[in-house]
Amino acid sequence: EIVLTQSPATLSLSPGERATLSCRASQTVSGTFLAWYQRRPGQAPRLLIFGASRRATGITDRFSGSGSGTDFTLTISRLEPEDSAVYFCQQCETLPWTFGQGTTVEIK
Amino acid sequence: QVQLVQSGSELKKPGASVKVSCKTSGYTFTSFAMTWVRQAPGQGLEWMGWINTNTGNPTHAPGFSGRFVFSLDTSVSTAYLEISSLKPEDSAVYYCARLMTYYYYYIDVWGKGTTVTVSS
Repeated sequence: EIVLTQSPATLSLSPGERATLSCRASQTVSGTFLAWYQRRPGQAPRLLIFGASRRATGITDRFSGSGSGTDFTLTISRLEPEDSAVYFCQQCETLPWTFGQGTTVEIK
Repeated sequence: QVQLVQSGSELKKPGASVKVSCKTSGYTFTSFAMTWVRQAPGQGLEWMGWINTNTGNPTHAPGFSGRFVFSLDTSVSTAYLEISSLKPEDSAVYYCARLMTYYYYYIDVWGKGTTVTVSS
């Protein structure tokens, strides 16, 4: 199975700063099958990015995705307090589909 | 507005069964597959599998076959996850989620999750 390793585990930043989250795959993943989600405490997960770099409907352009092959990145520019959440990546290319373990973003 | 409304929390004894429902609205149920995801306490997300809502054909992830059954009632636009012979390690939050499979593959809408607790 494809293991997705996210780093860092926790990111603590101030409002207005930029967050860079990494998702590294143990095997090559086509960007077509790589997505990022956000989960705020007490809420259902929310789709942010699909196809590695395509923003989901209604997602602010402060969120951007990039990468290919085995290395993918989610960038959150100009952090706001409501960005405090767990972010996780998922690959849907190879069965079983897998998730990264998540990166917690804390806003100071 | 697309919504996936899951049934409420369940407390079950080991060996019992539980059936989690996921009622959908706001879209044509059979136009999108449904997937199930588990999160055990302190653990990450685990993909359990998905079900084709047109054919009813399920695909199970390793470790989620046998005791884990995905089913549908298209007349009420509802998907179900039934777990039999429950074990304490099945205690988790179970999410249903709508799966996009038109070129790009991803989950676009999630239910809020159903907490299943297995304890004697």
